[in-house]
Amino acid sequence: QITLKESGPTLVKPTQTLTLTCTFSGFSLSTSGVGVGWLRQPPGKALEWLALIYWDDDKVYSPSLKNRLTLTKDTFKNQVVLTLTNMDPVDTATYYCAHRRQNSGSLVEFDPWGQGTLVTVSS
Amino acid sequence: QSILTQPPSASGTPGQRVTISCSGSSSNIENNNVNWYQHLPGTAPKLLIFRNNQRPSGVPDRFSGSKSGTSASLAISGLQSEDEADYYCAAWDDSLNGGVFGGGTKLTVL
Repeated sequence: QITLKESGPTLVKPTQTLTLTCTFSGFSLSTSGVGVGWLRQPPGKALEWLALIYWDDDKVYSPSLKNRLTLTKDTFKNQVVLTLTNMDPVDTATYYCAHRRQNSGSLVEFDPWGQGTLVTVSS
Repeated sequence: QSILTQPPSASGTPGQRVTISCSGSSSNIENNNVNWYQHLPGTAPKLLIFRNNQRPSGVPDRFSGSKSGTSASLAISGLQSEDEADYYCAAWDDSLNGGVFGGGTKLTVL
């Protein structure tokens, strides 16, 4: 059974850097084709695709956040870390990490997802 | 405003069939696989349809997906009260070089 769980601060101040950790089990991020993605949903708004990190450490970032976003992985700890710099109130959202399957036909195909963690940006 | 366009709401009575549309362009839906997610607020989004029309194991065959040109659709037959949720379409966009989602459709079971 694959599970993922996001952890990190629930409140950050504007201009600060957000660091979220996705801890997963039931799969290995060293398996060819596997990936972990990050997505978010601002309150009352739609889902937004943020980034994806592959088993081979290749990464794909949303063009709109590319300059602020970084993903790293620790294969031994089964963790993926998201770092988002220069936080702004518009970045207030529930942040999700999700599993991309080995034979996935899309970079937006995730199953399953974590429960998500709400991050509020406010001074 | 989302790159993929969905109706904001849909509704039906138990047992009915409802369809949710997702409109895009040649840079996303037409040339890439479409995925559909079911999301109940406060829970993890659930993959409902992948590769346009494939169901993950455990998803009832009441749910089906289709794609034609720059549009895709999710159909739910034999509507049940537990189907009340938000539904999102998603696809890769070659022009943006990023994933894109629809704005979501809130399904109400009357």
